[in-house]
Amino acid sequence: DGGITQSPKYLFRKEGQNVTLSCEQNLNHDAMYWYRQDPGQGLRLIYYSQIVNDFQKGDIAEGYSVSREKKESFPLTVTSAQKNPTAFYLCASSAGTVNTGELFFGEGSRLTVL
Amino acid sequence: AQSVAQPEDQVNVAEGNPLTVKCTYSVSGNPYLFWYVQYPNRGLQFLLKYITGDNLVKGSYGFEAEFNKSQTSFHLKKPSALVSDSALYFCAVRDRIQGAQKLVFGQGTRLTINP
Repeated sequence: DGGITQSPKYLFRKEGQNVTLSCEQNLNHDAMYWYRQDPGQGLRLIYYSQIVNDFQKGDIAEGYSVSREKKESFPLTVTSAQKNPTAFYLCASSAGTVNTGELFFGEGSRLTVL
Repeated sequence: AQSVAQPEDQVNVAEGNPLTVKCTYSVSGNPYLFWYVQYPNRGLQFLLKYITGDNLVKGSYGFEAEFNKSQTSFHLKKPSALVSDSALYFCAVRDRIQGAQKLVFGQGTRLTINP
């Protein structure tokens, strides 16, 4: 089955630690995205990538970093510079600019800072 | 920039009654509009989209949405609600920046269907 796999589903972090969230897709999609979800705030875009080896900052990129070394992988690192990292993180992909913009989402990773 | 607004944080409907979840949009040009649903601790699932054509769009699980250009709205509807429809619903609009595209989401509306 084609889809997007995020891991881990739940993650606990101590303050001052960096953590990396994994996102892998086997849909052969060009574009990948990371969103952050907080209660009552909807989804906010952190980073996105239209092609391999290229990515752009979204609306709330501060304290986060990404890489796109392979088409199927788009890991997100939450650094110690992120002041309020506790949130639900969602990875998504799309076929890129050749399609209408529909996104396919993973099941999410919930990060809690202790 | 493109944006959508969901004016209701929460909607409560009795099982079997029709439901409406509201969404208004603000765009330059022709809008590409989407509805997604999210169940607790899960990712978002695509319900339907409006690109062009008929103003009434049919989607998954018996949902439909009506595109109204004069009112800049894209309300989600279902003729008869089920308890299993209880979830968080997001409206979204496509935004294009320098050749890239992304979805901009509303705040979400929590739909509760009462037995």
